[in-house]
Amino acid sequence: SYVLTQPPSVSVAPGKTARITCGGNNIGSKSVHWYQQKPGQAPVLVIYYDSDRPSGIPERFSGSNSGNTATLTISRVEAGDEADYYCQVWDSSSDHPGVVFGGGTKLTVL
Amino acid sequence: EVQLVESGGGLVQPGGSLRLSCAASGFTFSSYAMHWVRQAPGKGLEYVSAISSNGGSTYYANSVKGRFTISRDNSKNTLYLQMGSLRAEDMAVYYCAREVYGGNDGAFDIWGQGTMVTVSS
Repeated sequence: SYVLTQPPSVSVAPGKTARITCGGNNIGSKSVHWYQQKPGQAPVLVIYYDSDRPSGIPERFSGSNSGNTATLTISRVEAGDEADYYCQVWDSSSDHPGVVFGGGTKLTVL
Repeated sequence: EVQLVESGGGLVQPGGSLRLSCAASGFTFSSYAMHWVRQAPGKGLEYVSAISSNGGSTYYANSVKGRFTISRDNSKNTLYLQMGSLRAEDMAVYYCAREVYGGNDGAFDIWGQGTMVTVSS
């Protein structure tokens, strides 16, 4: 089955840029979606189709996807951005295709 | 307001059954594929099951195949997950989610608040 690999944690100072990676075999050929989840809350879609932002998501959130790595970039990080972030793809290549989530990355704002 | 509200979670013994519901409002429920995603305590998101907009097509993760059944009643704007032969590893918060943008690579743009399923004797 298809595997998405995320770093367990990323730390960044307020006002700086955070980059959260999502690795997968030829992930650049797939569409990647990103979710933010704060403690005790449901996930929220922050980036879809690699780099599009849903309405209401700040422009500080952006995404890219190429080769074997997709990246969620958060510019001018704020304390309120502290959360877990998950990447997600649809895997149609395995013998049991379906939705795959990365293991999640905890973003800490120092 | 577009929203999903899950219910039906609770404490169940190993080997037992439970039915979760997800009530949709604020959008045309019958136009969207729907999904269940779960999250064990302190763990990441795990995909569980999907159903097409008309209910004609379903999908299950290997971990629940043969034990869980997804269904929907478009006349009641409600999604269901019938869970059987429950195991300790099924203990999690269960979220329902709406798929948007479609085409078997869509994103989940609306999520419910989740309902907790505890499997314990």
